[in-house]
This record gives sequence, C-alpha cells and structure tokens, in this order.
Amino acid sequence: DQQVKQNSPSLSVQEGRISILNCDYTNSMFDYFLWYKKYPAEGPTFLISISSIKDKNEDGRFTVFLNKSAKHLSLHIVPSQPGDSAVYFCAASRPMKTSYDKVIFGPGTSLSVIP
Amino acid sequence: NAGVTQTPKFQVLKTGQSMTLQCAQDMNHNSMYWYRQDPGMGLRLIYYSASEGTTDKGEVPNGYNVSRLNKREFSLRLESAAPSQTSVYFCASSDDRGGSAEAFFGQGTRLTVV
Repeated sequence: DQQVKQNSPSLSVQEGRISILNCDYTNSMFDYFLWYKKYPAEGPTFLISISSIKDKNEDGRFTVFLNKSAKHLSLHIVPSQPGDSAVYFCAASRPMKTSYDKVIFGPGTSLSVIP
Repeated sequence: NAGVTQTPKFQVLKTGQSMTLQCAQDMNHNSMYWYRQDPGMGLRLIYYSASEGTTDKGEVPNGYNVSRLNKREFSLRLESAAPSQTSVYFCASSDDRGGSAEAFFGQGTRLTVV
C-alpha cells in the first residue's frame, strides 16, 4: 500500500499557465515533505520542501502548499515554462532521522509544458 | 564538484550473471543509498549506509548486496541477475539532517536483464 500517492501520472499545461501537481499521504507521522524534479537520463534533483509546521513555502516560481488535515500537498509552478517539463516526485519524511531510510517517494507525475 | 558519480550508465546482463554498480560521492556525506526506479513505483530503497562501516536493508533488498568501501564509495552487487531486476538504479547521498534536507542523486544506471 503506497504511503505517498501521486494520482496523476501525467499532466499537460500551456506555457505561461499554472501547473498544479498533487500529492497525498496516508501516514500522519510524516513531518517533512520534499519535491524532486527529474529529467530523462538524469538523477532526481531537489526542488523545494516544506515542514509540517508550515502550510506554504515559496521559492521563485515554485510554491508548495500543505494541508495537514487532508494529508495533501501540492506544488504550484507559475508561470510554467517548457524547461519545467520533467517528472516530479513527491517525498515524505518521518521525524528526526539522520538518514534518508525513512523517506518515502511517490510514483511521480510527468509534466509537459507545451510552448 | 562532481557530486555523486555512478558507473556504468548502461548495462545488459544475461540471467544468472553478476555485476557490481559503483558509486562515489565527494560531498563528505555520512549517508549513502541505493534506489531502484520502476514505472509507477517511484523510487524504492534497496540498501542504505548511515555511516562508514554500516549497511542496512531498505524496502526491496532481496537479490542484492552492498559494500560501503569507505566514506566516499558505496557499491551494489547483483550476484545472480534476474529479469525482475531490470530497472534504473540510482545512488544517492545525504548529510546528517536526513529527511529534512535534500539528497543528491547520481545520473543512474539503466540495467536490463535478459
């Protein structure tokens, strides 16, 4: 049973519009959430994160929103650019671990930004 | 600064063959990991090493062995490859902030077992 779900395998958005990628989790013990971006033939790279004590974190065009009561987070990209076309992985972490062994990754959403 | 380097990038094996995937990081991280990525499954942890000299099983360790050779290097060995091990493998490392900080990934190894 997946603890971190990304129910949309793919998403297409017009350049300049907003992209919204969604992620749901089942384990209320998760207290830190991360988004990674992956281009073909490359490894994932960190994009943005949020602690469970916050409900929003913004970094340039990227904003992550966290709704703890709904166990839901979303990544907003505004405005979307063709270079944002990639697979986006949501990840959730349990408290106070010094290694990544308790970080659970979702299955990913493939975003295509159409020029 | 190279980050995390994996070799090889591509490999085709016959069922029953063995091979070792190599990984090295130059960021002085204590923790290193091996993941596999399969369609619709995300990244699943195979083995990890929280410090030099220690290794532990992750979510999907069967059919694999690892060696933490020193602080920089962490290798993954398939003793007798099976078609179910066809996947993309990623090595990663992180500092001691663990899951509250980013992990750094290598470029990946695309392995096909026929």
